Parts: sequence; C-alpha cells; structure tokens
Amino acid sequence: AQKITQTQPGMFVQEKEAVTLDCTYDTSDPSYGLFWYKQPSSGEMIFLIYQGSYDQQNATEGRYSLNFQKARKSANLVISASQLGDSAMYFCAMREDQGGSEKLVFGKGMKLTVNP
Amino acid sequence: DGGITQSPKYLFRKEGQNVTLSCEQNLNHDAMYWYRQDPGQGLRLIYYSQIVNDFQKGDIAEGYSVSREKKESFPLTVTSAQKNPTAFYLCASSETGRRMNTEAFFGQGTRLTVV
Repeated sequence: AQKITQTQPGMFVQEKEAVTLDCTYDTSDPSYGLFWYKQPSSGEMIFLIYQGSYDQQNATEGRYSLNFQKARKSANLVISASQLGDSAMYFCAMREDQGGSEKLVFGKGMKLTVNP
Repeated sequence: DGGITQSPKYLFRKEGQNVTLSCEQNLNHDAMYWYRQDPGQGLRLIYYSQIVNDFQKGDIAEGYSVSREKKESFPLTVTSAQKNPTAFYLCASSETGRRMNTEAFFGQGTRLTVV
C-alpha cells in the first residue's frame, strides 16, 4: 500500500499567487515526521519544511507553511507569493519507526510550474 | 565543508555487469539511505541503514546489495539480477535516535545507464 500519496501530477500557478500541494499519508505509528522537499531540474533535493506528529501548531518556514490535519492524515504544503524559481518537482516524505529502524519514504512527487 | 558525496555523476554499464555506486558522508550521521528515481515514480527506497554493520531492505531491494562497514560509507551495488537498472540513484543521510525532526541530506545523485 502506498504510504505517501500525492495525487496531483502537475500544477500551474501565476507568479505571486499562493498554491497548495496535496499530500496524504498512511501510518499506524503514533510517532512520525513529515517532510517536504523540492527538486529543481538540476536534480538536487532541497529540504523545505518539517511537521512532527505531536506538533500542536502547523509548521512555517518563510513562504512555506504546512497545513497539517492529523485526523485526515493530510500534510499539504502551501507556498505563498509564488516565484519563478519555485518551478520544480515537489516531494512529500514521511519518517516512521519500523521495528527500531527509522524508515524514510517518499511520494511520487508533483511538478509545479510558475508562470510569469 | 560537511556534506554527502556520490560518485560518479554518470555511469554506463554493459548488460550483465555488476556496478558499485559510491556514497560518502562526513556529517557524522548514523542513518543512510539509497533511493532510485524514475520519471513519474518519485523516490523509491532500496536499502537503509541505521548503524554500522546493519541495514534493512527497502521497497525495491531485489537486484541490489549494500554494505555498511564504516559510518561514513554506504556503497550500493547494482547486480546483473536487476532487470531494469537504468535510473537516477540518490543517496541520503540523517541523524537518528528517535529524532524524527531531522531532515535527510542528499547527494547530487548518480545517473546509471545500461548500454
């Protein structure tokens, strides 16, 4: 079964507008961490934001915020005031404890294109 | 500078040959991971390791092997048993010990092509 689901294969947004990238996850572990990464065409993986399963507040990092809805197992990334440089692949990931080992798994990603 | 280094950046292999991808980190991280990336498939976990001399299979371990003899190094061997090895391979490392909030750091990747 898919642990991380990103249903939007691609999105387009106008520069300076906000955009929400969807992510749902599946785990039975009460302790887990959720991450978002950005991958430009160069291939490097850039960490954006983290949300812990016990965190009471939604995480924010500059223009990035995470809309964490634990009961729905949803961890959507919100990018405010999109910039042309935001055009990239975006991956949602989850770290959970698997019998003493911490497994880090990723979704299939989605491609964001910011138009001028 | 601390970081994680993968080599080579591009690798060509003939069918039927084994090939080893290098991954070295000087971040003093306990955990290391290998992922395979294909277009439209995202990152799929091949193997991961939490400590030296111990590693676990990920979701697509068949046709791959790893070793973790040193904390800094986690080489991946793509064997001839891997039916479709052409892909982009990413290595990552992170702190561990129940510190779920530590992000993984990635290398620049190795693009393997079977010719």
